[in-house]
Amino acid sequence: DQQVKQNSPSLSVQEGRISILNCDYTNSMFDYFLWYKKYPAEGPTFLISISSIKDKNEDGRFTVFLNKSAKHLSLHIVPSQPGDSAVYFCAASESGSSNTGKLIFGQGTTLQVKP
Amino acid sequence: EAGVAQSPRYKIIEKRQSVAFWCNPISGHATLYWYQQILGQGPKLLIQFQNNGVVDDSQLPKDRFSAERLKGVDSTLKIQPAKLEDSAVYLCASSSQTGAYNEQFFGPGTRLTVL
Repeated sequence: DQQVKQNSPSLSVQEGRISILNCDYTNSMFDYFLWYKKYPAEGPTFLISISSIKDKNEDGRFTVFLNKSAKHLSLHIVPSQPGDSAVYFCAASESGSSNTGKLIFGQGTTLQVKP
Repeated sequence: EAGVAQSPRYKIIEKRQSVAFWCNPISGHATLYWYQQILGQGPKLLIQFQNNGVVDDSQLPKDRFSAERLKGVDSTLKIQPAKLEDSAVYLCASSSQTGAYNEQFFGPGTRLTVL
């Protein structure tokens, strides 16, 4: 049972344009969501997160949007740069004090930004 | 600050052989995670330690996988005997404490190929 899904395996955009990566989840208990970025031969690195009490969180060129009713979140990168080319993983967690912070990851989307 | 260290980086074995992976977390981090990432999928949590105690091992195939974290610092993950489907990247991560809001820092991973 895939609780976090990234339905687009890959995305290609032109440098300077917007990249939009999508993620859907099924577990209504998830209330904390994260995006990780992964370069080849390296471990994932944390990019940005959002709590379910918000619907938007910005950090520089990166913005994450959360639509709780649709159980959908998206990551916007504006403007996209060639260095953003990587695999992006969406992850979800339950943040309650009794929970361990276990992350459930999506399958990943490979972003290619063309110069 | 030194990151999460893992060794070896690559390992090739034949099925039914044994293999062990080592992880050294970021200094002072109480929580350590082992993930399995099969090609085309996102990381899946195998086991989570808080200091030297197990917090979650619900997805660890205990008939063949074992893990320990002696003295609450380094950790080893062992597979005995290995199967073809164990081919994957094994990622170690650490965080200062357990809980969703504590960022997980990942090591570079060990790529295991079982022939």
